[in-house]
Amino acid sequence: DIQVTQSPSTLSASVGDRVTITCRASQSIGTWLAWYQQKLGKAPKLLIYDASSVESGVPSRFSGSGSGTEFTLTISSLQPDDFATYSCQQYKSHSYTFGQGTKLEIK
Amino acid sequence: EVQLVESGGGLVKPGGSLRLSCAASGFTFSPHTMNWVRQAPGKGLEWVSSISGSSNYIYYADSVKGRFTISRDNAKNSLYLQISSLRAEDTAVYFCARSVIAVAPAPYFYYMDVWGKGTTVTVSS
Repeated sequence: DIQVTQSPSTLSASVGDRVTITCRASQSIGTWLAWYQQKLGKAPKLLIYDASSVESGVPSRFSGSGSGTEFTLTISSLQPDDFATYSCQQYKSHSYTFGQGTKLEIK
Repeated sequence: EVQLVESGGGLVKPGGSLRLSCAASGFTFSPHTMNWVRQAPGKGLEWVSSISGSSNYIYYADSVKGRFTISRDNAKNSLYLQISSLRAEDTAVYFCARSVIAVAPAPYFYYMDVWGKGTTVTVSS
């Protein structure tokens, strides 16, 4: 199975900061990677697919990059609504795997 | 409005069974691969199972293989998960999620774009 590792597990930042979250796959997955945002007690929300395509309705401050085994999610200027948990997911294999999540906290 | 609504969760004793349901509305259900994803308390997301639109392709996580059965009824726009031989570690919120229809060269089992709010399964004596 393809393993996916996210870092950091927790990130403290302030409104207006630029933040980056990293996801590494155990083998090459091309660009078959998605990013989700999840707030406490809610369902995940799709932000990015195919590593860098932004889902319709998602603010332009969210961007994704990478290919192969290393990927990043960047939030260019944090807004109060962005404090949440972010997870990556590979879909190269039919056995989907998620990263363990990054909790973005207010500093 | 595109919507997925899960039901069927509850408190069950170890070794017990439940049948989870997911009702889809607002979109044409039959072409989409559908999935179950779970999240244990305080933990990350874990893929559980997927079923293709025509039920030709079905996959399970190793952690549930042989105990869980995914199925769908396209006439009723519904997805199901029969969960059996339940263990404490199956305690989680179970989400139903829709996969986007892939166009080659994208993988057949593509990313998930619509999620339900989840139903909670608690396994405890």
